[in-house]
Amino acid sequence: GEDVEQSLFLSVREGDSSVINCTYTDSSSTYLYWYKQEPGAGLQLLTYIFSNMDMKQDQRLTVLLNKKDKHLSLRIADTQTGDSAIYFCAEGRYGGSQGNLIFGKGTKLSVKP
Amino acid sequence: DSGVTQTPKHLITATGQRVTLRCSPRSGDLSVYWYQQSLDQGLQFLIQYYNGEERAKGNILERFSAQQFPDLHSELNLSSLELGDSALYFCASSTDVNTEAFFGQGTRLTVV
Repeated sequence: GEDVEQSLFLSVREGDSSVINCTYTDSSSTYLYWYKQEPGAGLQLLTYIFSNMDMKQDQRLTVLLNKKDKHLSLRIADTQTGDSAIYFCAEGRYGGSQGNLIFGKGTKLSVKP
Repeated sequence: DSGVTQTPKHLITATGQRVTLRCSPRSGDLSVYWYQQSLDQGLQFLIQYYNGEERAKGNILERFSAQQFPDLHSELNLSSLELGDSALYFCASSTDVNTEAFFGQGTRLTVV
């Protein structure tokens, strides 16, 4: 199918690590993205990874990519209450001069103090 | 602030009406995308323009149309509006086709 899949909810305690998982479908996707959406706000690009990479670290964020299983994860270290938001996984589908993002339905992260 | 500007932020209109949503991309970005976010469908790609030309079409209804002008701003026209068209409409822009896209704050459309 065409779906990018994510679990819908994740709840963690402040200070713990959060791991948000995603599976995608198109093995030819070149880029995979994580976006964050806070209540009433737009989509903020958090990080992205090229498909020829296994891991990317950016401060508290670690992205792991298992291309064989088409599995992507986002780890947030030392999760804070300000990290509470919806996190979207997206795969970039590009061909020639066309390009668009296919999004998962989003994982709502709740951080308890 | 992503640098992508969308107007208006909120729009309330009646069924059967027509509205125009506007997007100004980041300075220098040639590619503009429109997405619809609704509770049941999630984020759906509608259409992409690159330097004034349509490049890709997603799940865009025939009642909807878009264009990108010579100054690279874009407009999404929604006509014969139905209750189910109520959603958050996002515009995104990127420098090229396969580079990261930056999203505006969205226009929340409510059809009553």
